[in-house]
Amino acid sequence: EVQLLQSGGGLEQPGGSLRLSCAASGFTFSTCAMSWVRQAPGKGLEWVSTVSGSGSGIFYADSVKGRFTISRDKSINTLYLQMNSLRAEDTAIYYCAKDQRATSTRGSFDYWGQGSLVTVSS
Amino acid sequence: QSALTQPPSASGSPGQSVTISCTGTSSDVGGYNYVSWYQQYPGKAPKLMIYEVSKRPSGVPDRFSGSKSGDTASLTVSGLQAEDEANYYCNSYAGSNNVIFGGGTKLTVL
Repeated sequence: EVQLLQSGGGLEQPGGSLRLSCAASGFTFSTCAMSWVRQAPGKGLEWVSTVSGSGSGIFYADSVKGRFTISRDKSINTLYLQMNSLRAEDTAIYYCAKDQRATSTRGSFDYWGQGSLVTVSS
Repeated sequence: QSALTQPPSASGSPGQSVTISCTGTSSDVGGYNYVSWYQQYPGKAPKLMIYEVSKRPSGVPDRFSGSKSGDTASLTVSGLQAEDEANYYCNSYAGSNNVIFGGGTKLTVL
């Protein structure tokens, strides 16, 4: 059974940093691209970032480029999102998601984590 | 890129069919056969219902179908059931390793 168990998140001040984690099990981690998708309170979904199965391909939405860093540790089957220079508009539930593809994303995320709430406020 | 355009709401009675549209441009929906649809219940994570325009993942009822014409993709739910009441989101590949989502449609089963 595929499982994505998220941790991290919480309340941070503008300009601060947070790290999200997503522990994966039930599938061959290194063969699947992994992504982060966020959802602001009461709003729609927004793709944030994707890392390829090998870790060599990394892609970001313009809204987070230069501030967020996606990474993966294949030794412990874990995906990360390091979020720096946080802004109020980054407030959202962040979901990790497994992609159906290996090298990049075309938007088909077949398994999702439970979500982590990130609140950016002073 | 701008978000894809979905109607804010849709509704139908049990047993009826309802279609939700998702309109983009030739740079996203119209340019690639990579449109996905997600079902999301309040407080829950999204669930993949359709990928690559019209393909259903294992376990998704065949009451759910997808199609595309030009810059507009559509999700049709046939034989509506009470448990189909949820929010539905489309997304599309937009080139250069970017993905954009629609604003979402709240489906109400009357």
